[in-house]
Amino acid sequence: NAGVTQTPKFQVLKTGQSMTLQCAQDMNHNSMYWYRQDPGMGLRLIYYSASEGTTDKGEVPNGYNVSRLNKREFSLRLESAAPSQTSVYFCASTLTGRGTEAFFGQGTRLTVV
Amino acid sequence: KNEVEQSPQNLTAQEGEFITINCSYSVGISALHWLQQHPGGGIVSLFMLSSGKKKHGRLIATINIQEKHSSLHITASHPRDSAVYICAVGGNQFYFGTGTSLTVIP
Repeated sequence: NAGVTQTPKFQVLKTGQSMTLQCAQDMNHNSMYWYRQDPGMGLRLIYYSASEGTTDKGEVPNGYNVSRLNKREFSLRLESAAPSQTSVYFCASTLTGRGTEAFFGQGTRLTVV
Repeated sequence: KNEVEQSPQNLTAQEGEFITINCSYSVGISALHWLQQHPGGGIVSLFMLSSGKKKHGRLIATINIQEKHSSLHITASHPRDSAVYICAVGGNQFYFGTGTSLTVIP
């Protein structure tokens, strides 16, 4: 049982390049989340998907798009990367949103130069 | 504004010491999570609490819903406990503290 799998683990982009971060969970969870983690700021929610077919903006959605491809997969796309998007990105999932345990991926360390 | 405040931000302890990390929050919640993150590593959920107290090995987590406060205790601390401990609260969404960086010295 792999839990939450994120790819890639590391990525370096040039300003203006695009990329997609992949996330998949095998726990039949309904809700999935994308966070970014920056020094001294805690994790901040970029987008979430409460259920298959729905997505909603979080605290810091600008510069990102997401796709809930199916129940298992939730991808995060950077259309035109900027140095301000240098961060560590975490995907998470929960069975439902409320009061259930959260499972996190291993993170993607993204550097935009 | 920070919905979740953790203290201390940094903590150094000698091996064997009893450690307490505190979390206060200002939002209504359905659950509180304590998470552990090792340097360069992923995030692991240690506890999910909605009331009372939970214990897992040397780790104990308590929550006081009325006071909107939780504590994570580590008994007989060990160098392998060195990590960042993050408090997260929420319902449909999570709010995260900035973490407590713990270093346990042999």
